[in-house]
Amino acid sequence: KAGVTQTPRYLIKTRGQQVTLSCSPISGHRSVSWYQQTPGQGLQFLFEYFSETQRNKGNFPGRFSGRQFSNSRSEMNVSTLELGDSALYLCASSLWGGTNYGYTFGSGTRLTVV
Amino acid sequence: SQQGEEDPQALSIQEGENATMNCSYKTSINNLQWYRQNSGRGLVHLILIRSNEREKHSGRLRVTLDTSKKSSSLLITASRAADTASYFCATDGGFGNEKLTFGTGTRLTIIP
Repeated sequence: KAGVTQTPRYLIKTRGQQVTLSCSPISGHRSVSWYQQTPGQGLQFLFEYFSETQRNKGNFPGRFSGRQFSNSRSEMNVSTLELGDSALYLCASSLWGGTNYGYTFGSGTRLTVV
Repeated sequence: SQQGEEDPQALSIQEGENATMNCSYKTSINNLQWYRQNSGRGLVHLILIRSNEREKHSGRLRVTLDTSKKSSSLLITASRAADTASYFCATDGGFGNEKLTFGTGTRLTIIP
């Protein structure tokens, strides 16, 4: 079956712009999480959605937001981009929740803010 | 902030040797997981060990968990060049909390 699909793979944006990243989970998976990975901070949890509801949220400013659609596809949005937002953004899906069964990750979207 | 600290940060071994990496964490957990990441790509789930388990095996992988010391280790036996990657431990935030907190990672290089 198809894995977790993230689009686009690469993105270059200018400081101050906004960006939307997309994630299509494995068919049937209802939990979708987002992580930011940077060399300095490592892997950090952004938020997790289950059946269109945000269940958990990390410690990121309000410029970072997300949503999940009825087909479980998820998007995350970053407004007013800063240079420090340059990172690999990873999406992960699980049937019910990855902490009990493990997550399947996508290949990520590499965002560069210039 | 990252809960897990992994040791060593980098490890280079000859192909065929065993590789051991360690993870320490700070708070109580339900489960601990290990993931592999090839350069700049997504993470691959390797194994999950529950807090009431002490050891778990999967193929060439062996994971141990010591909740009293808040530590875990991942052993890869008979290493192969394809095992070259970064390895991360990840802990949950307790029951009902889907946030995974990742360690700093161990960069493993297998020398052919």
